[in-house]
Amino acid sequence: RKEVEQDPGPFNVPEGATVAFNCTYSNSASQSFFWYRQDCRKEPKLLMSVYSSGNEDGRFTAQLNRASQYISLLIRDSKLSDSATYLCVVNFRYTGRRALTFGSGTRLQVQP
Amino acid sequence: EPEVTQTPSHQVTQMGQEVILRCVPISNHLYFYWYRQILGQKVEFLVSFYNNEISEKSEIFDDQFSVERPDGSNFTLKIRSTKLEDSAMYFCASRKEGGLARQETQYFGPGTRLLVL
Repeated sequence: RKEVEQDPGPFNVPEGATVAFNCTYSNSASQSFFWYRQDCRKEPKLLMSVYSSGNEDGRFTAQLNRASQYISLLIRDSKLSDSATYLCVVNFRYTGRRALTFGSGTRLQVQP
Repeated sequence: EPEVTQTPSHQVTQMGQEVILRCVPISNHLYFYWYRQILGQKVEFLVSFYNNEISEKSEIFDDQFSVERPDGSNFTLKIRSTKLEDSAMYFCASRKEGGLARQETQYFGPGTRLLVL
């Protein structure tokens, strides 16, 4: 089983749509969760950290469900500039490891 | 806003040659990382570095790889004898020290695209 699993997409949505991505992780000892955004041939950039209580940043809402070991990202009112690959990222702590484990990413294409 | 920088942006080399990829982490960060991303694949962890030594490495980081912090600002990744399969984008990342979620955040450099012929 993959450590971090995401639907690769692509998700093709019209401008203004609401779109949701899910991600599952395999290790229940995971402690830190993030969504990063990656544009084509660019570096991953932090979109938001994901907290147990859920958190919102403008049009973006992240949720964490530890019992089911999944993380979600909701994007409301999609913009053309939201087109990118969204990476679910987990920090596994069971070995004291501080390295990030990345999912393969979900590609979003927002269309006019 | 401070950022991680990497040089060169692109490197083309012949198989068997040595390459050194350079990174300047954010100045008050204490943990440094190298990741790689083969074209079309996910980002993979290579090595982490703290307090002038490797704190963890993945199975990818074999004896052909080494890291160094030669001075107070640079962090380098050396590949001693490159192979075709080393062709990838190599990202450097850094983070502050601390256990809070916001301090776990790693900031990535723009990457070095390595092509081994």
